[in-house]
Amino acid sequence: QVQLVQSGAELKKPGASVKVSCKASGYTLTSYYIHWVRQAPGQGLEWMGIINPSNDNTGSAQKFQGRVSMTRDTSASTVYMELSSLRSDDTAIYYCARSSGSAYGMDVWGQGTTVTVSS
Amino acid sequence: DIQMTQSPSSLSASVGDRVTITCRASQSISRYLNWYQQKPGKAPKLLIYAASSLQSEVPSGFSGGGSGTDFTLTISSLQPEDFATYYCQQSYSTPYTFGQGTKLEIK
Repeated sequence: QVQLVQSGAELKKPGASVKVSCKASGYTLTSYYIHWVRQAPGQGLEWMGIINPSNDNTGSAQKFQGRVSMTRDTSASTVYMELSSLRSDDTAIYYCARSSGSAYGMDVWGQGTTVTVSS
Repeated sequence: DIQMTQSPSSLSASVGDRVTITCRASQSISRYLNWYQQKPGKAPKLLIYAASSLQSEVPSGFSGGGSGTDFTLTISSLQPEDFATYYCQQSYSTPYTFGQGTKLEIK
């Protein structure tokens, strides 16, 4: 079945970087965009950025520009999101999700990856 | 950035009630509006895309409407499994911002 499977939970120190993976199965990775969305504890959803796996084009929210990098490995059907210079307020669940275009919503979501930033 | 504002932030209702959640965009977004349902400890689930299109396998009791800046999500007859948090999201221009969420609780 169509699914996105994310890497496991991470514990990082302030100032470090984290790289979360999102592996697609049941469909062709390059046929859909992949978004990254995060959710701090007890808070709402925050859109971080998007990658087009077919051409590697990316876009991100201004608040993350310079700190976030999204890449893909089409041979592994996997997309990666790396967030650097971590702060305590980056503690959140990070989700990947796919969409077929801006006129459509995010119809398949990963299970989420908990990233905890603590000294 | 386009700001999305949902109302109410929380809502208490009973099984069988009809409820409507509203979402307002800070500028026109045509019909680039999506609705999600999230239950505790779970990833969000897409309910409605393009303002009023029902996502596959979503019960027909959910419906969406609106265009421009004002949108609604209506649940025609609340079922026990509908008690959750609901988010709107615009996909008109990046960043694809979400509303702050509406928590629907059992009265």
